[in-house]
Amino acid sequence: EIVLTQSPGTLSLSPGERATLSCRASQNIRSGSLAWYQQRPGQAPRLLIYGASSRATGIPDRFSGSGSGTDFTLTISRLEPEDSAVYYCQQYGSTPKTFGQGTKVEI
Amino acid sequence: QVQLLESGGGVVQPGGSLRLSCAASGFIFSDYTMYWVRQPPGKGLEWVAIISYDGNNKNYAGSVRGRFAVSRDNSQNTLYLQMNSLSAEDTAVYFCASSSSFYSSLDFWGQGTLVTVSS
Repeated sequence: EIVLTQSPGTLSLSPGERATLSCRASQNIRSGSLAWYQQRPGQAPRLLIYGASSRATGIPDRFSGSGSGTDFTLTISRLEPEDSAVYYCQQYGSTPKTFGQGTKVEI
Repeated sequence: QVQLLESGGGVVQPGGSLRLSCAASGFIFSDYTMYWVRQPPGKGLEWVAIISYDGNNKNYAGSVRGRFAVSRDNSQNTLYLQMNSLSAEDTAVYFCASSSSFYSSLDFWGQGTLVTVSS
């Protein structure tokens, strides 16, 4: 089973600042099969990034993903108040399809 | 637009059973792999099960294997999760989600249905 470890646990930033979220895998994730999801309070998760770096439909370009192998990063370039949420990474290249424990972004 | 609507949640006693449903609309359901993902209160996301577009391939998290069964009815555009031998550790919001393949991201999610296992 691939274990995903996200850091930091919580990120407190101001509007307009840059957020950098990390997701580290216990094994190589094949073919960059890593996604990032945003979950606002009381809502279902929403796909932000797939294939490690491709933005999902309708996602603003201030969200970007990078990385390969075992180290991946989600960057939010200019934080807006509506970006307050918990962000999860997930690998889908092998079963079980594991999630990281989440990073909470407070603005 | 894509809609996924879960139902069937509620309160069940330990050892009991429950069947969840997920009604899909706005896309060709029979073309898509489907997932169940759960989230215990105040905690993170946990993948539960996956079923291929035709129902022929299924896989489960170790924590539910042998107790839960995923199925689908493509004629009714509906996904199911039969949950047996429930325990307090199964208390969670259960989400269904769609994916373009067995090895793709979860593109769309339902709003979830709460299952509470309690005596």
